[in-house]
Amino acid sequence: DAKTTQPTSMDCAEGRAANLPCNHSTISGNEYVYWYRQIHSQGPQYIIHGLKNNETNEMASLIITEDRKSSTLILPHATLRDTAVYYCIVRVESGGFKTIFGAGTRLFVKA
Amino acid sequence: GAGVSQSPSNKVTEKGKDVELRCDPISGHTALYWYRQSLGQGLEFLIYFQGNSAPDKSGLPSDRFSAERTGGSVSTLTIQRTQQEDSAVYLCASSSYRGSNQPQHFGDGTRLSIL
Repeated sequence: DAKTTQPTSMDCAEGRAANLPCNHSTISGNEYVYWYRQIHSQGPQYIIHGLKNNETNEMASLIITEDRKSSTLILPHATLRDTAVYYCIVRVESGGFKTIFGAGTRLFVKA
Repeated sequence: GAGVSQSPSNKVTEKGKDVELRCDPISGHTALYWYRQSLGQGLEFLIYFQGNSAPDKSGLPSDRFSAERTGGSVSTLTIQRTQQEDSAVYLCASSSYRGSNQPQHFGDGTRLSIL
């Protein structure tokens, strides 16, 4: 699996957009970009994924650069409940997420 | 519908004892995964089941760890002769297909503490 790099932590004001970056410069053509988040004492929660086109769902938007070497997860109107660790991973075709999710980005949404 | 269910939610046991952790995947999901997460760390892949295929055991840390999946549904992860370094949250996930376009859905895990 391709390695991803994310900032350790970020702050965001409640009601503002949270933009979480991720670098995945070694991504290969058949690897999807996935975003999960984990709130304390819960299992990771799926947010969104994409291959090369930008994606949007009820939770977030995913912007993938044209060269696919980086992406940004956008939470359009962050709430206090969005405070969590956000993981960006890229996934090979077969099997599970064999690579360690990594430390992710700890997002703090502040009132 | 119901999500991935894991039991017990917490398990405390003495070093050297065997433990068995259970995972009920989402109904109809053919792929099932086990991970563990140590305090403050990311997820570590353990084992993967897909339908009737032989499981991918490449992430199991030692031969004290084993897992089975009966009837293509419920899975149990067994740790024999537990050690203190086995203390972690053990997470189970399932997906509807093994392909990379299908998201995995996680349970809330079993928090295992070895005294």
